[in-house]
Amino acid sequence: GEDVEQSLFLSVREGDSSVINCTYTDSSSTYLYWYKQEPGAGLQLLTYIFSNMDMKQDQRLTVLLNKKDKHLSLRIADTQTGDSAIYFCAENPGGYQKVTFGIGTKLQVIP
Amino acid sequence: DAGVTQSPTHLIKTRGQQVTLRCSPKSGHDTVSWYQQALGQGPQFIFQYYEEEERQRGNFPDRFSGHQFPNYSSELNVNALLLGDSALYLCASSRTSRPYEQYFGPGTRLTVT
Repeated sequence: GEDVEQSLFLSVREGDSSVINCTYTDSSSTYLYWYKQEPGAGLQLLTYIFSNMDMKQDQRLTVLLNKKDKHLSLRIADTQTGDSAIYFCAENPGGYQKVTFGIGTKLQVIP
Repeated sequence: DAGVTQSPTHLIKTRGQQVTLRCSPKSGHDTVSWYQQALGQGPQFIFQYYEEEERQRGNFPDRFSGHQFPNYSSELNVNALLLGDSALYLCASSRTSRPYEQYFGPGTRLTVT
């Protein structure tokens, strides 16, 4: 079945790196995503990675995928107070299939 | 380039009533998906519309129905509202050529009293 798990909370100091982890169960997942949600707002697509990739880097964001362990991580370099938000991991088997989300990890950045 | 827009922003309804939420997709997008996000939870997929047809549906009762118009905009209808329907309803759009890129609107906050 489909299930996406994330830790609920992460606290880091401004300027440090943040690493948010996620595990998923659907081995057929083709696309894996990271979304950001600020208070009272919708979801912002941060980045996604195809299952045939191990890593994707986009400015301060680095996504690592371990298909064997079904583990996805998001590293935010030089974390800023504006990065404080809830981060959702999500999976999609591909094509027009539905996207399944985790419960979200709340990132708190301490000045 | 306008992103995904949703209306209204907030809505308060009474148990048993019916509600209609609206969504306009991002320019160039032809597929609309609806999600329900309860407080403290991740979004749950309700259904997806493409070419004015429901293409896929999640585990939601028939009280939840939708429609897509020729201009690709969409409506979500919920009948016989329950207290448990209180949530943020999110619309996401994508295009056929890149179905894996979904962009979300700001959501409609529905409160059922």
